[in-house]
Amino acid sequence: AQRVTQPEKLLSVFKGAPVELKCNYSYSGSPELFWYVQYSRQRLQLLLRHISRESIKGFTADLNKGETSFHLKKPFAQEEDSAMYYCALIHVVDSSYKLIFGSGTRLLVRP
Amino acid sequence: NAGVTQTPKFQVLKTGQSMTLQCAQDMNHNSMYWYRQDPGMGLRLIYYSASEGTTDKGEVPNGYNVSRLNKREFSLRLESAAPSQTSVYFCASRRGRDSPLHFGNGTRLTVT
Repeated sequence: AQRVTQPEKLLSVFKGAPVELKCNYSYSGSPELFWYVQYSRQRLQLLLRHISRESIKGFTADLNKGETSFHLKKPFAQEEDSAMYYCALIHVVDSSYKLIFGSGTRLLVRP
Repeated sequence: NAGVTQTPKFQVLKTGQSMTLQCAQDMNHNSMYWYRQDPGMGLRLIYYSASEGTTDKGEVPNGYNVSRLNKREFSLRLESAAPSQTSVYFCASRRGRDSPLHFGNGTRLTVT
């Protein structure tokens, strides 16, 4: 069955420290994965997607099919990175596309 | 261009009452979604509409109904609210497979 797992509910780091938010998935087909972010008092928004292989706000994520993971990384965390982060997977049903989300990880970057 | 607009922002209901959450998007998107967000559970899909005129169940559809009134609007109805439906509800839309989800600001619903 398709599933997205984010094992950490809360990740607390100091400013300037490296950050890795874990995401593992279970999917029978070829996965398409995303990271969404929700800053305080703002709506959820797309951070990055694996097909773009881009770096947004210093964050990167690499799809590892062998480990079925899509961890989000940043070498030096900033206070403004504090937010709720969701990993998500596209699930194709017939010709419809649903996004399945993980339970989220709250990142707290301390000064 | 307002994006995805949800109303109301807050609502308190008593058990057994009914209400409809409204969602509208002005981006000409084909697909629309309703999620609920609960602590420790993340976002769970309630219903979605791949295109105008179609609706399908998501992960947690029980206790809800939806209507895709037209391409712009996708409403979520609670016929008989229960305390377990206390949550934050998000509506989202997307143009197609390769486009990102655009979310509304959410509706915080409390059922007492």
